[in-house]
Amino acid sequence: DIQMTQSPSSLSASVGDRVSITCRASQYISTYLNWYQQKPGKAPKVLIYAVSSLQSGVPSRFSGSGSATDFTLTISSLQPEDFATYYCQQSYSTPLTFGGGTKVEIK
Amino acid sequence: EVQLVESGGGLVQPGGSLRLSCAASGFTFNSYWMDWVRQAPGKGLVWVSRINGDGRTTIYADSVKGRFTISRDNAKNTLYLQMNSLRVEDTAVYYCARKGGASGSYSDWGQGTLVTVSS
Repeated sequence: DIQMTQSPSSLSASVGDRVSITCRASQYISTYLNWYQQKPGKAPKVLIYAVSSLQSGVPSRFSGSGSATDFTLTISSLQPEDFATYYCQQSYSTPLTFGGGTKVEIK
Repeated sequence: EVQLVESGGGLVQPGGSLRLSCAASGFTFNSYWMDWVRQAPGKGLVWVSRINGDGRTTIYADSVKGRFTISRDNAKNTLYLQMNSLRVEDTAVYYCARKGGASGSYSDWGQGTLVTVSS
């Protein structure tokens, strides 16, 4: 199974801050890397698919980068509605696997 | 508008069974692979199972293989998860999700249904 390691597991930041979350795969996953946002009591929502493609309707302050095994989600200017938990996911092979999550909290 | 609506969750004793349903609308259901993903209380997301558009190909996580069965009724636009021999560790919110395009991401999720396995 491909292990997905996210860091940090949590972070505190202020509105307007630039925030980066990293995700490392235990083996090569090409561009099959997706990012989701989840708010308490809600289903996850896809933000970025295929490493860097922005899902329709997602604000452009979200961006993704990386390749092979190392990937990054960046929020260029954190907004109040961005406080949530973020997950990376590999869709390269089954079993599909998610990172452990990064909780973004208000400083 | 794509909608996925899960139902069938509830409280069940260890060793018991439950069948979850996911009613789909707003897209051509039989054209999409569909998955079940679960999330234990306060924990992360875990993939459970996948089924292709015509229902002939199914894949399971090792943790549920032999106990859970994924299926679909394309005439009813409904996805199912039959869960047998339930364990305490199966307690989670279960989401159905639509596999998007070539990237394999989940373009749409249901609201989730809670399964609690407890004596």
